[in-house]
Formats: sequence, structure tokens, C-alpha cells
Amino acid sequence: EPEVTQTPSHQVTQMGQEVILRCVPISNHLYFYWYRQILGQKVEFLVSFYNNEISEKSEIFDDQFSVERPDGSNFTLKIRSTKLEDSAMYFCASSASVGANVLTFGAGSRLTVL
Amino acid sequence: EDQVTQSPEALRLQEGESSSLNCSYTVSGLRGLFWYRQDPGKGPEFLFTLYSAGEEKEKERLKATLTKKESFLHITAPKPEDSATYLCAVQRANFNKFYFGSGTKLNVKP
Repeated sequence: EPEVTQTPSHQVTQMGQEVILRCVPISNHLYFYWYRQILGQKVEFLVSFYNNEISEKSEIFDDQFSVERPDGSNFTLKIRSTKLEDSAMYFCASSASVGANVLTFGAGSRLTVL
Repeated sequence: EDQVTQSPEALRLQEGESSSLNCSYTVSGLRGLFWYRQDPGKGPEFLFTLYSAGEEKEKERLKATLTKKESFLHITAPKPEDSATYLCAVQRANFNKFYFGSGTKLNVKP
């Protein structure tokens, strides 16, 4: 069964450092997403991406965040200067189309900022 | 403001003891309501999509229903392997993002 793959599974970084989280979405999917889940809290939307540009973003997704699809398979989330409050599980998801279409989530990347 | 509220926060059941989880939502123009299962340390796993009031979907011991204001996930004769956090999410018309509830953590004791 096709799956969304995320790396690393866990990253520990110092406050102020840059972090890049990587995702390989399902190959025939066109829409890509990043969500995050702070421990014990809701899954929160960060950004959606289609046709090589951001289609929607939340208030959380400020100038410290960026996304990129550098090639035909990878989808990355960059945090330029991490803060303690960025510590969370980051989930990548993809869907075949927009609309009420199923999101398939990856297993997540746990980010710990010290 | 769009909101999704799930209850109860946690539910303990004995194996075979049926129950229901609730998801109340407030959204302008519902495109779809989704149920996901999340195991500890893992990403949400899709269970059901419901599009309109009155719709029902079933899968093994799970049945999801939808009204104009809420959705129920009914669990019939649960087994320990059904233990997980069940998440409800709504998607608004003309938007891509999903709004998630806080989830119901289900624990089924043998």
C-alpha cells in the first residue's frame, strides 16, 4: 500500500538552529500538506502546497517557515531559526486531489528544540 | 469561527462493551467530515469520510454517522486492538485545510 515517508523520525536541535524536515508523498498525489501536533494538543494545519506554490497557510506558518518541492519526489519543511515552542510532531500528508479527499499522513518527525 | 469538539476526552471500555464517540462541529459550508485513528507516536490513519447529513459508513466494528451539527463513531463489541485515539476533522468548502478535534482516547480492556 502506498505510503508517505518522513525523515528524520526524531531530530534534536538547539534553539536558533535551522531544521529541514523531509517528506516523500505518495507518487501520484498532487496536493501536499504539513501539520503539526504539540504534545497533548490538537493536530494543527500549517500549510498546503499545490502546483509548486503555497495554496493556503495558517497563522502559525510565519516567515520562519518555508516549504519546497525541490524535485519530483521530495517535499520539505524548513524552520529557519527554531524556538522552544516549535517542539512538536510534524506530519506530512498528501492527497490525490483537492476537495473532500482523503489525506494520507506520514508517521511524523518529532522535533525537540533545546 | 470553525470549531470541532470531541467528547469524551477519554473512554475506558471492557472488551465487548459497545459505546459511541461524539464529534460536534461548527463550520461554514461543510465539505466533508473525516474520522481518523491515531496510535501513539504515529500519524493519523484514515477511517471514514462523511459528506452530508444522514450519511452512514461502516467498517468492521466501527460505524460513523453524520447530522448537521455532529458526528458519532459507534464502536460495537470493541477489542483491545481498537485502543487508540480517534480524531474527527472537518474540511470547509473552498478550503484545503482540515480542522481537527482534540480526539477521544479509547482504551479497551480484555
